[in-house]
Amino acid sequence: AQSVTQLGSHVSVSEGALVLLRCNYSSSVPPYLFWYVQYPNQGLQLLLKYTTGATLVKGINGFEAEFKKSETSFHLTKPSAHMSDAAEYFCAVSVNSGYSTLTFGKGTMLLVSP
Amino acid sequence: DSGVTQTPKHLITATGQRVTLRCSPRSGDLSVYWYQQSLDQGLQFLIQYYNGEERAKGNILERFSAQQFPDLHSELNLSSLELGDSALYFCASTRGNGADTQYFGPGTRLTVL
Repeated sequence: AQSVTQLGSHVSVSEGALVLLRCNYSSSVPPYLFWYVQYPNQGLQLLLKYTTGATLVKGINGFEAEFKKSETSFHLTKPSAHMSDAAEYFCAVSVNSGYSTLTFGKGTMLLVSP
Repeated sequence: DSGVTQTPKHLITATGQRVTLRCSPRSGDLSVYWYQQSLDQGLQFLIQYYNGEERAKGNILERFSAQQFPDLHSELNLSSLELGDSALYFCASTRGNGADTQYFGPGTRLTVL
């Protein structure tokens, strides 16, 4: 079985500052990793995903994440925060099996101040 | 817009009642997943259907059931509702049955009074 831990239920940054949202996973087989964003009163939107290959993954809205197998981590970063980045971010893990489902972390609320 | 639609957007009902939530997947997607999002439990996987057949079950209560119809839309039935069932219910869809990207609908907010 797989699991996801997101460190910090809330992260506050100033506009223009670096965004770092932490995600650690547990999986007995090579994982597929995802970051989703949820804006208020909306569904989840995929930011980026890692399946195989290059460990640095670029996503939408300037976000990127790096898969580090040795650290079982998949942290999400963005060099410069915008006010519009304020939302809840979810890390999720899946495995490439016949009946694959997503296991989500508890989420991290990103607050961006002017 | 993900292409996944869910109805209704909001649902308010009383304890003991039964409701049905509906989901239409993206065009061409064969898999539908149901999730429950609550403050207590976070996002939890409930059940998956692929091309009309149940494929995976998560933390779904016995009072809840789902099905996927020949036109691939899916319904989640919640019965004998309790206050604790109040939550956002999302469905997601994928093309296949494996670890594809899941595209989420806007959700149905259920309030049980």
